[in-house]
Amino acid sequence: DGGITQSPKYLFRKEGQNVTLSCEQNLNHDAMYWYRQDPGQGLRLIYYSQIVNDFQKGDIAEGYSVSREKKESFPLTVTSAQKNPTAFYLCASKEGAASDTQYFGPGTRLTVL
Amino acid sequence: AQSVSQHNHHVILSEAASLELGCNYSYGGTVNLFWYVQYPGQHLQLLLKYFSGDPLVKGIKGFEAEFIKSKFSFNLRKPSVQWSDTAEYFCAVILGGATNKLIFGTGTLLAVQP
Repeated sequence: DGGITQSPKYLFRKEGQNVTLSCEQNLNHDAMYWYRQDPGQGLRLIYYSQIVNDFQKGDIAEGYSVSREKKESFPLTVTSAQKNPTAFYLCASKEGAASDTQYFGPGTRLTVL
Repeated sequence: AQSVSQHNHHVILSEAASLELGCNYSYGGTVNLFWYVQYPGQHLQLLLKYFSGDPLVKGIKGFEAEFIKSKFSFNLRKPSVQWSDTAEYFCAVILGGATNKLIFGTGTLLAVQP
Protein backbone atom coordinates (compact mmCIF):
# COMPACT_ATOMS: atom_id res chain seq x y z
CA ASP A 1 0.00 0.00 0.00
CA GLY A 2 1.86 3.07 -1.24
CA GLY A 3 1.78 6.43 0.43
CA ILE A 4 3.15 8.80 2.99
CA THR A 5 3.10 7.95 6.65
CA GLN A 6 3.59 10.28 9.55
CA SER A 7 3.94 9.16 13.10
CA PRO A 8 2.70 9.64 15.67
CA LYS A 9 -0.70 11.15 14.94
CA TYR A 10 -0.72 13.08 18.21
CA LEU A 11 2.35 14.13 20.16
CA PHE A 12 2.68 15.93 23.46
CA ARG A 13 5.90 17.43 24.76
CA LYS A 14 6.98 19.65 27.58
CA GLU A 15 8.26 23.09 26.81
CA GLY A 16 12.01 23.16 26.26
CA GLN A 17 12.26 19.64 24.85
CA ASN A 18 13.27 18.85 21.29
CA VAL A 19 10.95 16.50 19.43
CA THR A 20 11.34 14.68 16.12
CA LEU A 21 8.42 14.02 13.79
CA SER A 22 8.65 11.13 11.39
CA CYS A 23 7.78 11.17 7.69
CA GLU A 24 8.25 8.14 5.46
CA GLN A 25 7.21 7.60 1.86
CA ASN A 26 7.32 4.50 -0.32
CA LEU A 27 6.38 6.31 -3.52
CA ASN A 28 9.99 6.61 -4.68
CA HIS A 29 9.54 10.36 -4.77
CA ASP A 30 12.61 12.56 -4.97
CA ALA A 31 11.27 15.67 -3.26
CA MET A 32 9.86 15.95 0.25
CA TYR A 33 8.39 18.87 2.16
CA TRP A 34 7.39 19.90 5.67
CA TYR A 35 4.57 22.36 6.34
CA ARG A 36 2.88 23.58 9.45
CA GLN A 37 -0.81 24.35 9.45
CA ASP A 38 -2.31 26.88 11.84
CA PRO A 39 -5.94 28.00 11.93
CA GLY A 40 -6.53 30.90 9.58
CA GLN A 41 -3.00 30.82 8.19
CA GLY A 42 -3.11 27.96 5.73
CA LEU A 43 0.02 25.89 5.20
CA ARG A 44 3.46 27.42 5.55
CA LEU A 45 6.62 25.76 4.25
CA ILE A 46 9.23 24.88 6.87
CA TYR A 47 11.85 22.91 4.94
CA TYR A 48 12.06 21.01 1.70
CA SER A 49 14.42 18.56 0.09
CA GLN A 50 14.65 17.93 -3.63
CA ILE A 51 17.16 15.07 -3.44
CA VAL A 52 18.85 12.92 -0.85
CA ASN A 53 21.47 14.67 1.30
CA ASP A 54 20.20 18.10 0.29
CA PHE A 55 17.57 20.35 1.85
CA GLN A 56 16.57 24.01 1.80
CA LYS A 57 14.92 26.35 4.27
CA GLY A 58 11.35 27.30 3.61
CA ASP A 59 9.55 30.41 4.78
CA ILE A 60 9.48 29.60 8.51
CA ALA A 61 12.57 27.45 9.17
CA GLU A 62 13.66 29.10 12.42
CA GLY A 63 13.53 26.67 15.33
CA TYR A 64 13.36 23.59 13.09
CA SER A 65 15.91 21.20 11.62
CA VAL A 66 15.73 18.33 9.13
CA SER A 67 17.85 15.59 7.61
CA ARG A 68 17.54 13.61 4.38
CA GLU A 69 19.87 10.66 4.68
CA LYS A 70 17.53 8.31 2.85
CA LYS A 71 15.24 8.95 -0.08
CA GLU A 72 12.19 7.60 1.74
CA SER A 73 12.66 9.48 5.01
CA PHE A 74 12.59 13.18 5.94
CA PRO A 75 12.37 13.65 9.71
CA LEU A 76 11.64 17.07 11.20
CA THR A 77 13.01 18.13 14.57
CA VAL A 78 11.17 20.85 16.43
CA THR A 79 13.74 22.40 18.72
CA SER A 80 13.31 24.33 21.93
CA ALA A 81 14.18 27.46 19.94
CA GLN A 82 10.83 27.32 18.12
CA LYS A 83 8.76 29.91 19.98
CA ASN A 84 5.32 28.60 19.10
CA PRO A 85 5.64 24.88 18.26
CA THR A 86 2.06 23.77 18.93
CA ALA A 87 0.61 23.14 15.46
CA PHE A 88 -0.44 20.55 12.92
CA TYR A 89 2.55 19.38 10.87
CA LEU A 90 2.13 18.01 7.37
CA CYS A 91 4.69 16.16 5.30
CA ALA A 92 4.42 15.95 1.52
CA SER A 93 6.33 14.40 -1.35
CA LYS A 94 6.61 14.93 -5.07
CA GLU A 95 7.90 12.67 -7.77
CA GLY A 96 10.61 14.93 -9.14
CA ALA A 97 11.42 18.16 -10.91
CA ALA A 98 9.10 17.33 -13.81
CA SER A 99 6.13 16.80 -11.53
CA ASP A 100 4.25 19.64 -9.86
CA THR A 101 1.78 17.69 -7.75
CA GLN A 102 2.54 17.16 -4.07
CA TYR A 103 0.97 14.33 -2.10
CA PHE A 104 0.37 14.77 1.59
CA GLY A 105 0.61 12.57 4.64
CA PRO A 106 -2.03 12.43 7.40
CA GLY A 107 -0.20 14.90 9.64
CA THR A 108 1.04 15.01 13.22
CA ARG A 109 -0.59 17.26 15.76
CA LEU A 110 2.06 18.49 18.18
CA THR A 111 1.06 20.03 21.46
CA VAL A 112 3.70 21.58 23.67
CA LEU A 113 2.59 21.91 27.26
CA ALA B 1 6.08 39.43 -2.22
CA GLN B 2 4.20 36.73 -4.05
CA SER B 3 1.06 35.60 -2.26
CA VAL B 4 -2.18 33.74 -2.60
CA SER B 5 -5.41 35.24 -1.29
CA GLN B 6 -8.58 33.45 -0.39
CA HIS B 7 -11.07 36.09 0.60
CA ASN B 8 -13.77 33.81 1.95
CA HIS B 9 -12.56 32.41 5.24
CA HIS B 10 -15.79 30.73 6.25
CA VAL B 11 -18.71 29.85 3.96
CA ILE B 12 -22.00 28.28 5.02
CA LEU B 13 -24.35 26.91 2.37
CA SER B 14 -27.43 24.75 2.22
CA GLU B 15 -27.40 21.55 0.20
CA ALA B 16 -28.00 22.08 -3.54
CA ALA B 17 -26.73 25.66 -3.40
CA SER B 18 -24.06 26.71 -5.86
CA LEU B 19 -20.52 27.30 -4.65
CA GLU B 20 -17.83 29.67 -5.76
CA LEU B 21 -14.66 30.13 -3.70
CA GLY B 22 -12.34 32.91 -4.69
CA CYS B 23 -8.58 32.60 -5.16
CA ASN B 24 -6.25 35.33 -6.36
CA TYR B 25 -2.49 35.31 -6.65
CA SER B 26 0.05 38.06 -7.03
CA TYR B 27 2.73 37.09 -9.53
CA GLY B 28 3.24 38.24 -13.08
CA GLY B 29 4.98 35.18 -14.49
CA THR B 30 4.05 31.60 -15.26
CA VAL B 31 2.10 29.80 -12.57
CA ASN B 32 0.73 26.36 -11.89
CA LEU B 33 -2.47 26.42 -9.87
CA PHE B 34 -4.05 23.93 -7.52
CA TRP B 35 -7.03 23.42 -5.28
CA TYR B 36 -6.59 21.02 -2.37
CA VAL B 37 -9.32 19.83 -0.03
CA GLN B 38 -9.09 18.61 3.54
CA TYR B 39 -12.14 16.68 4.71
CA PRO B 40 -12.58 16.37 8.48
CA GLY B 41 -10.01 13.94 9.84
CA GLN B 42 -8.57 13.13 6.43
CA HIS B 43 -5.43 13.83 4.42
CA LEU B 44 -5.07 16.93 2.37
CA GLN B 45 -5.85 15.77 -1.15
CA LEU B 46 -5.70 17.26 -4.62
CA LEU B 47 -9.03 18.43 -6.02
CA LEU B 48 -7.83 19.78 -9.36
CA LYS B 49 -4.92 21.54 -11.00
CA TYR B 50 -4.11 23.81 -13.92
CA PHE B 51 -0.80 23.82 -15.74
CA SER B 52 -1.63 24.97 -19.27
CA GLY B 53 -4.23 24.66 -22.02
CA ASP B 54 -7.96 24.94 -21.43
CA PRO B 55 -8.39 27.44 -18.57
CA LEU B 56 -11.50 25.63 -17.35
CA VAL B 57 -10.37 22.54 -15.49
CA LYS B 58 -12.52 19.81 -14.03
CA GLY B 59 -11.64 17.94 -10.89
CA ILE B 60 -13.03 15.22 -8.74
CA LYS B 61 -16.51 15.18 -7.18
CA GLY B 62 -18.00 17.64 -9.67
CA PHE B 63 -15.68 20.54 -8.88
CA GLU B 64 -14.24 22.82 -11.53
CA ALA B 65 -12.07 25.92 -11.57
CA GLU B 66 -11.40 28.62 -14.13
CA PHE B 67 -8.04 30.29 -14.62
CA ILE B 68 -8.47 33.91 -15.65
CA LYS B 69 -5.00 35.24 -16.33
CA SER B 70 -6.05 38.88 -16.65
CA LYS B 71 -7.61 38.75 -13.20
CA PHE B 72 -4.90 36.60 -11.59
CA SER B 73 -7.70 34.35 -10.38
CA PHE B 74 -8.44 30.66 -10.09
CA ASN B 75 -11.89 30.39 -8.54
CA LEU B 76 -13.35 27.06 -7.53
CA ARG B 77 -16.96 26.24 -8.43
CA LYS B 78 -19.54 23.54 -7.95
CA PRO B 79 -23.11 23.92 -9.24
CA SER B 80 -24.78 22.00 -6.41
CA VAL B 81 -23.04 21.22 -3.11
CA GLN B 82 -23.70 18.25 -0.87
CA TRP B 83 -23.33 17.80 2.87
CA SER B 84 -20.26 15.64 2.13
CA ASP B 85 -18.51 18.68 0.62
CA THR B 86 -18.05 20.09 4.11
CA ALA B 87 -14.30 20.57 4.32
CA GLU B 88 -11.52 23.11 4.23
CA TYR B 89 -10.40 24.18 0.77
CA PHE B 90 -6.96 25.52 -0.05
CA CYS B 91 -5.83 27.29 -3.16
CA ALA B 92 -2.13 26.91 -3.94
CA VAL B 93 0.30 28.19 -6.53
CA ILE B 94 3.67 27.11 -7.85
CA LEU B 95 5.53 30.07 -9.25
CA GLY B 96 7.80 29.68 -12.24
CA GLY B 97 11.30 28.82 -11.09
CA ALA B 98 13.59 26.08 -9.95
CA THR B 99 12.32 25.49 -6.46
CA ASN B 100 8.79 24.32 -7.23
CA LYS B 101 7.66 25.73 -3.90
CA LEU B 102 3.94 25.44 -3.32
CA ILE B 103 2.45 28.60 -1.84
CA PHE B 104 -0.87 28.13 -0.08
CA GLY B 105 -3.72 30.47 0.61
CA THR B 106 -5.14 30.68 4.11
CA GLY B 107 -7.98 28.29 3.35
CA THR B 108 -11.77 28.50 3.22
CA LEU B 109 -13.84 26.45 5.62
CA LEU B 110 -17.04 25.31 3.90
CA ALA B 111 -19.94 24.05 5.97
CA VAL B 112 -22.87 22.56 4.06
CA GLN B 113 -26.11 22.29 6.01
CA PRO B 114 -28.38 19.34 5.19
